[in-house]
Amino acid sequence: DAGVTQSPTHLIKTRGQQVTLRCSPKSGHDTVSWYQQALGQGPQFIFQYYEEEERQRGNFPDRFSGHQFPNYSSELNVNALLLGDSALYLCASSLIGDQGGANVLTFGAGSRLTVL
Amino acid sequence: AQSVTQLGSHVSVSEGALVLLRCNYSSSVPPYLFWYVQYPNQGLQLLLKYTSAATLVKGINDFEAEFKKSETSFHLTKPSAHMSDAAEYFCAVRSSGNTPLVFGKGTRLSVIA
Repeated sequence: DAGVTQSPTHLIKTRGQQVTLRCSPKSGHDTVSWYQQALGQGPQFIFQYYEEEERQRGNFPDRFSGHQFPNYSSELNVNALLLGDSALYLCASSLIGDQGGANVLTFGAGSRLTVL
Repeated sequence: AQSVTQLGSHVSVSEGALVLLRCNYSSSVPPYLFWYVQYPNQGLQLLLKYTSAATLVKGINDFEAEFKKSETSFHLTKPSAHMSDAAEYFCAVRSSGNTPLVFGKGTRLSVIA
Protein backbone atom coordinates (compact mmCIF):
# COMPACT_ATOMS: atom_id res chain seq x y z
CA ASP A 1 0.00 0.00 0.00
CA ALA A 2 1.63 3.20 -1.17
CA GLY A 3 1.79 5.91 1.42
CA VAL A 4 1.92 9.61 0.67
CA THR A 5 4.04 10.42 -2.36
CA GLN A 6 5.45 13.83 -3.16
CA SER A 7 7.23 15.27 -6.17
CA PRO A 8 9.72 16.59 -6.90
CA THR A 9 12.00 15.57 -4.04
CA HIS A 10 14.40 18.46 -4.57
CA LEU A 11 14.28 21.63 -6.60
CA ILE A 12 16.12 24.89 -6.90
CA LYS A 13 14.49 28.16 -7.91
CA THR A 14 15.51 31.80 -8.00
CA ARG A 15 13.81 34.70 -6.28
CA GLY A 16 10.64 35.84 -7.98
CA GLN A 17 9.96 32.54 -9.68
CA GLN A 18 6.95 30.33 -9.11
CA VAL A 19 6.90 26.69 -7.98
CA THR A 20 4.38 23.86 -7.96
CA LEU A 21 4.70 20.89 -5.63
CA ARG A 22 2.60 17.77 -5.96
CA CYS A 23 1.18 15.24 -3.53
CA SER A 24 -0.69 11.96 -3.82
CA PRO A 25 -2.40 10.95 -0.59
CA LYS A 26 -2.40 7.54 0.99
CA SER A 27 -4.96 5.19 -0.48
CA GLY A 28 -8.31 5.68 1.24
CA HIS A 29 -7.56 9.18 2.49
CA ASP A 30 -9.57 12.17 1.32
CA THR A 31 -7.93 15.13 3.06
CA VAL A 32 -4.57 16.74 2.33
CA SER A 33 -2.67 19.16 4.54
CA TRP A 34 0.50 21.03 3.64
CA TYR A 35 3.22 22.01 6.07
CA GLN A 36 6.38 24.08 5.73
CA GLN A 37 9.41 22.95 7.72
CA ALA A 38 12.25 25.45 7.79
CA LEU A 39 15.72 24.23 8.74
CA GLY A 40 15.89 23.42 12.43
CA GLN A 41 12.18 24.12 12.99
CA GLY A 42 9.02 22.11 13.42
CA PRO A 43 6.45 21.87 10.64
CA GLN A 44 4.19 24.91 10.24
CA PHE A 45 0.64 24.42 8.93
CA ILE A 46 -0.03 26.08 5.58
CA PHE A 47 -3.51 24.86 4.63
CA GLN A 48 -5.81 21.87 4.36
CA TYR A 49 -7.90 20.67 1.43
CA TYR A 50 -11.02 18.54 1.51
CA GLU A 51 -13.60 18.02 -1.23
CA GLU A 52 -11.47 20.19 -3.52
CA GLU A 53 -11.80 23.23 -1.27
CA GLU A 54 -9.43 24.95 1.11
CA ARG A 55 -10.94 24.28 4.53
CA GLN A 56 -8.38 25.76 6.91
CA ARG A 57 -5.42 28.03 6.51
CA GLY A 58 -2.45 28.89 8.66
CA ASN A 59 -0.59 32.18 8.84
CA PHE A 60 0.81 32.21 5.32
CA PRO A 61 0.46 34.95 2.68
CA ASP A 62 -1.67 34.67 -0.43
CA ARG A 63 1.46 33.80 -2.43
CA PHE A 64 0.81 30.31 -1.15
CA SER A 65 -2.11 28.65 -2.88
CA GLY A 66 -3.25 25.15 -3.52
CA HIS A 67 -5.59 22.86 -5.27
CA GLN A 68 -7.14 19.46 -4.72
CA PHE A 69 -8.25 17.27 -7.59
CA PRO A 70 -11.17 14.83 -7.77
CA ASN A 71 -8.77 11.92 -7.14
CA TYR A 72 -7.77 13.65 -3.85
CA SER A 73 -4.27 14.52 -5.03
CA SER A 74 -3.11 18.04 -4.35
CA GLU A 75 -0.78 20.78 -5.48
CA LEU A 76 0.91 23.56 -3.57
CA ASN A 77 1.81 26.68 -5.53
CA VAL A 78 4.10 29.42 -4.32
CA ASN A 79 4.39 32.63 -6.34
CA ALA A 80 7.03 35.35 -6.22
CA LEU A 81 9.48 33.19 -4.32
CA LEU A 82 11.52 34.73 -1.53
CA LEU A 83 14.74 33.47 -0.01
CA GLY A 84 12.77 32.73 3.15
CA ASP A 85 10.60 30.24 1.29
CA SER A 86 13.50 27.81 1.27
CA ALA A 87 12.28 24.84 3.29
CA LEU A 88 11.08 21.27 3.27
CA TYR A 89 7.43 21.17 2.22
CA LEU A 90 5.54 18.28 3.70
CA CYS A 91 2.26 16.88 2.52
CA ALA A 92 0.12 14.90 4.95
CA SER A 93 -3.06 12.99 4.26
CA SER A 94 -5.87 11.77 6.48
CA LEU A 95 -9.48 10.61 6.42
CA ILE A 96 -11.91 13.34 7.41
CA GLY A 97 -13.79 12.62 10.60
CA ASP A 98 -11.70 9.58 11.44
CA GLN A 99 -11.30 9.44 15.25
CA GLY A 100 -12.06 13.15 15.65
CA GLY A 101 -9.21 14.96 17.31
CA ALA A 102 -7.17 11.76 17.40
CA ASN A 103 -7.08 11.75 13.61
CA VAL A 104 -3.60 10.72 12.50
CA LEU A 105 -1.75 12.46 9.70
CA THR A 106 0.35 10.33 7.36
CA PHE A 107 3.28 12.31 5.99
CA GLY A 108 5.20 12.11 2.76
CA ALA A 109 8.97 12.48 2.59
CA GLY A 110 8.69 16.07 1.47
CA SER A 111 9.89 18.34 -1.30
CA ARG A 112 12.99 20.33 -0.47
CA LEU A 113 12.87 23.77 -2.07
CA THR A 114 15.95 25.96 -2.27
CA VAL A 115 15.49 29.57 -3.37
CA LEU A 116 18.62 31.37 -4.57
CA ALA B 1 -4.52 28.89 21.09
CA GLN B 2 -2.61 25.68 21.33
CA SER B 3 1.15 25.47 21.55
CA VAL B 4 3.88 22.99 22.32
CA THR B 5 7.24 23.58 23.95
CA GLN B 6 9.97 20.99 23.62
CA LEU B 7 12.69 21.51 26.19
CA GLY B 8 16.12 20.90 24.75
CA SER B 9 16.80 21.20 21.04
CA HIS B 10 19.43 18.46 21.29
CA VAL B 11 19.66 15.48 23.63
CA SER B 12 22.58 13.07 23.65
CA VAL B 13 22.49 9.66 25.37
CA SER B 14 24.68 6.58 25.45
CA GLU B 15 23.53 3.40 23.80
CA GLY B 16 21.48 1.42 26.35
CA ALA B 17 20.69 4.47 28.46
CA LEU B 18 17.26 5.89 29.22
CA VAL B 19 15.83 8.31 26.68
CA LEU B 20 13.75 11.23 28.00
CA LEU B 21 12.44 13.89 25.64
CA ARG B 22 10.38 16.63 27.21
CA CYS B 23 7.18 18.19 25.90
CA ASN B 24 4.88 20.71 27.55
CA TYR B 25 1.66 21.83 25.94
CA SER B 26 -0.77 24.68 26.21
CA SER B 27 -4.40 24.13 25.36
CA SER B 28 -7.67 25.65 26.54
CA VAL B 29 -9.45 22.33 26.14
CA PRO B 30 -8.41 18.72 26.78
CA PRO B 31 -5.82 18.10 24.14
CA TYR B 32 -4.95 15.33 21.76
CA LEU B 33 -1.18 14.85 21.85
CA PHE B 34 1.17 13.15 19.45
CA TRP B 35 4.83 12.25 19.12
CA TYR B 36 6.33 11.95 15.65
CA VAL B 37 9.85 10.93 14.60
CA GLN B 38 11.71 12.16 11.55
CA TYR B 39 14.72 10.29 10.22
CA PRO B 40 17.11 12.10 7.87
CA ASN B 41 15.61 12.82 4.47
CA GLN B 42 12.30 11.25 5.44
CA GLY B 43 8.86 12.44 6.41
CA LEU B 44 7.35 12.27 9.87
CA GLN B 45 6.30 8.93 11.30
CA LEU B 46 3.83 8.55 14.17
CA LEU B 47 5.31 7.08 17.35
CA LEU B 48 2.25 7.33 19.59
CA LYS B 49 -0.77 9.44 20.46
CA TYR B 50 -2.78 10.38 23.54
CA THR B 51 -6.54 10.38 23.22
CA SER B 52 -7.67 10.40 26.88
CA ALA B 53 -8.25 6.65 27.00
CA ALA B 54 -5.17 6.10 29.19
CA THR B 55 -2.57 8.44 30.61
CA LEU B 56 0.32 6.09 29.82
CA VAL B 57 0.57 5.54 26.11
CA LYS B 58 2.71 2.90 24.48
CA GLY B 59 4.02 3.37 20.97
CA ILE B 60 6.27 1.69 18.46
CA ASN B 61 9.87 0.63 19.13
CA ASP B 62 9.36 0.56 22.94
CA PHE B 63 8.65 4.27 23.19
CA GLU B 64 6.03 5.45 25.63
CA ALA B 65 4.70 8.74 26.94
CA GLU B 66 2.76 9.77 30.01
CA PHE B 67 0.10 12.47 29.98
CA LYS B 68 0.22 14.57 33.15
CA LYS B 69 -2.56 17.14 33.21
CA SER B 70 -1.33 18.84 36.39
CA GLU B 71 2.04 19.45 34.76
CA THR B 72 0.68 19.98 31.22
CA SER B 73 3.33 17.57 30.07
CA PHE B 74 3.62 14.65 27.67
CA HIS B 75 7.21 13.49 27.94
CA LEU B 76 8.53 10.70 25.72
CA THR B 77 10.65 7.91 27.18
CA LYS B 78 12.41 4.74 26.12
CA PRO B 79 14.15 2.44 28.60
CA SER B 80 17.18 1.64 26.46
CA ALA B 81 18.44 3.70 23.55
CA HIS B 82 19.56 2.09 20.30
CA MET B 83 21.77 3.62 17.67
CA SER B 84 18.82 3.47 15.29
CA ASP B 85 16.86 5.86 17.54
CA ALA B 86 19.02 8.79 16.42
CA ALA B 87 16.55 11.14 14.75
CA GLU B 88 14.49 14.30 15.20
CA TYR B 89 11.47 13.99 17.49
CA PHE B 90 8.44 16.25 17.38
CA CYS B 91 5.66 16.69 19.89
CA ALA B 92 2.34 17.95 18.50
CA VAL B 93 -1.04 19.03 19.88
CA ARG B 94 -4.55 19.36 18.53
CA SER B 95 -7.51 20.68 20.48
CA SER B 96 -10.37 18.86 18.81
CA GLY B 97 -12.05 17.80 15.62
CA ASN B 98 -10.14 18.42 12.50
CA THR B 99 -8.18 21.47 13.65
CA PRO B 100 -4.59 21.68 12.45
CA LEU B 101 -1.88 19.78 14.24
CA VAL B 102 0.51 22.22 15.95
CA PHE B 103 4.12 21.05 16.27
CA GLY B 104 6.93 21.90 18.60
CA LYS B 105 10.36 22.87 17.28
CA GLY B 106 11.70 19.38 17.73
CA THR B 107 14.45 17.66 19.70
CA ARG B 108 17.36 16.03 17.95
CA LEU B 109 18.37 12.79 19.67
CA SER B 110 21.94 11.55 19.31
CA VAL B 111 22.93 8.09 20.53
CA ILE B 112 26.57 7.51 21.41
CA ALA B 113 28.12 4.07 21.16
